[in-house]
Amino acid sequence: NAGVTQTPKFQVLKTGQSMTLQCAQDMNHEYMSWYRQDPGMGLRLIHYSVGAGITDQGEVPNGYNVSRSTTEDFPLRLLSAAPSQTSVYFCASSYFGVSGDNEQFFGPGTRLTVL
Amino acid sequence: GENVEQHPSTLSVQEGDSAVIKCTYSDSASNYFPWYKQELGKGPQLIIDIRSNVGEKKDQRIAVTLNKTAKHFSLHITETQPEDSAVYFCAASMGRGSTLGRLYFGRGTQLTVWP
Repeated sequence: NAGVTQTPKFQVLKTGQSMTLQCAQDMNHEYMSWYRQDPGMGLRLIHYSVGAGITDQGEVPNGYNVSRSTTEDFPLRLLSAAPSQTSVYFCASSYFGVSGDNEQFFGPGTRLTVL
Repeated sequence: GENVEQHPSTLSVQEGDSAVIKCTYSDSASNYFPWYKQELGKGPQLIIDIRSNVGEKKDQRIAVTLNKTAKHFSLHITETQPEDSAVYFCAASMGRGSTLGRLYFGRGTQLTVWP
């Protein structure tokens, strides 16, 4: 299994440009999520999905769109990039254990710079 | 929603010493508490977790304790080694209830182990 994969690893955008960060998992996990990581801020949830066709907002959703057409893929779209979106983005997937645990598996991250 | 606070933000120890990282949570409905380790340039990886029906859990040099009454949990690393140097995150989850397994993260602790 490849686990959680993310592309690209690095990206530089100009203000106003749009792009899609790709995320895929091959573990048949029902739950997928996107986080951004900024210095001193920890991991902040952007959007998440509990299954194909179902998405919801996290704590910092503004400026980002998501969709979940398949179990495997969960792309994150930046419609009009802003310098405030300069960050490292992590995708994660997880299953729900019988006892209620929820181990999340993280991808390697995408480092995005918006000029 | 849940609020997780983590202390300290940075921690430096000598090789062989112990390291302790503490977290508090606000919502008594939280019942799953994982700890993640993030090495430089990589995504976070689960190292140990604990459920609310357990007070302590050990895995070799790593242990986690949970005090439900006080709503705090701690990570203990004994006999630290330079390869333990990383950022550590605590998190809390309410399981597969209304929040559908969402993880709430602390802001992270940068642990440095000096040889």
